[in-house]
Amino acid sequence: AQSVTQLGSHVSVSEGALVLLRCNYSSSVPPYLFWYVQYPNQGLQLLLKYTSAATLVKGINGFEAEFKKSETSFHLTKPSAHMSDAAEYFCAVFRNSGGYQKVTFGTGTKLQVIP
Amino acid sequence: GAGVSQSPRYKVAKRGQDVALRCDPISGHVSLFWYQQALGQGPEFLTYFQNEAQLDKSGLPSDRFFAERPEGSVSTLKIQRTQQEDSAVYLCASSPTRQGAYSGANVLTFGAGSRLTVL
Repeated sequence: AQSVTQLGSHVSVSEGALVLLRCNYSSSVPPYLFWYVQYPNQGLQLLLKYTSAATLVKGINGFEAEFKKSETSFHLTKPSAHMSDAAEYFCAVFRNSGGYQKVTFGTGTKLQVIP
Repeated sequence: GAGVSQSPRYKVAKRGQDVALRCDPISGHVSLFWYQQALGQGPEFLTYFQNEAQLDKSGLPSDRFFAERPEGSVSTLKIQRTQQEDSAVYLCASSPTRQGAYSGANVLTFGAGSRLTVL
């Protein structure tokens, strides 16, 4: 079954530093992959999605992710962290189940940005 | 409406009480999902509707959980005889098309969730 693993439940970076949040997927076929962000007391908001059109995907708020088949990875990056980036980030994969696509989420990485 | 609306945003229930959580998806959206998000965890799938048909309820934790979408729009998640382990945020999401196996990566739009605390 397709799934995703997020390495590191908490990541701290200084304001202005590189953000790197790790996600590895388990899939026998190229999957559809997503990154969602969740701010406190809010729902999940789509950051970006990979659908095999391009391996480097640009999303909102300056985030991007690169699909690397050889590493089965889809890590999320941002060159310079802002205080407003503090939130929880979820990697997700579409999984075929019973003839339809079900979204399966990773366990999340909480990003702390230190002034 | 403009987004997915969930109510109530916060619900405190005594153990053994029944609760009902409501989801108003984006108008016209065919697919509707319910997820359960326990503290510190990622969302876990509960159930999926395509219009009024409940196509998958494999994620419902027990027969105390029941979901319906009778007219293919608003959905209600009902939990009977609540237990402390039911405490979680319940997220609803919708998408404009059916989630067919080859329909592509239809993006889900999530509501803000209903936070249930069972005392």
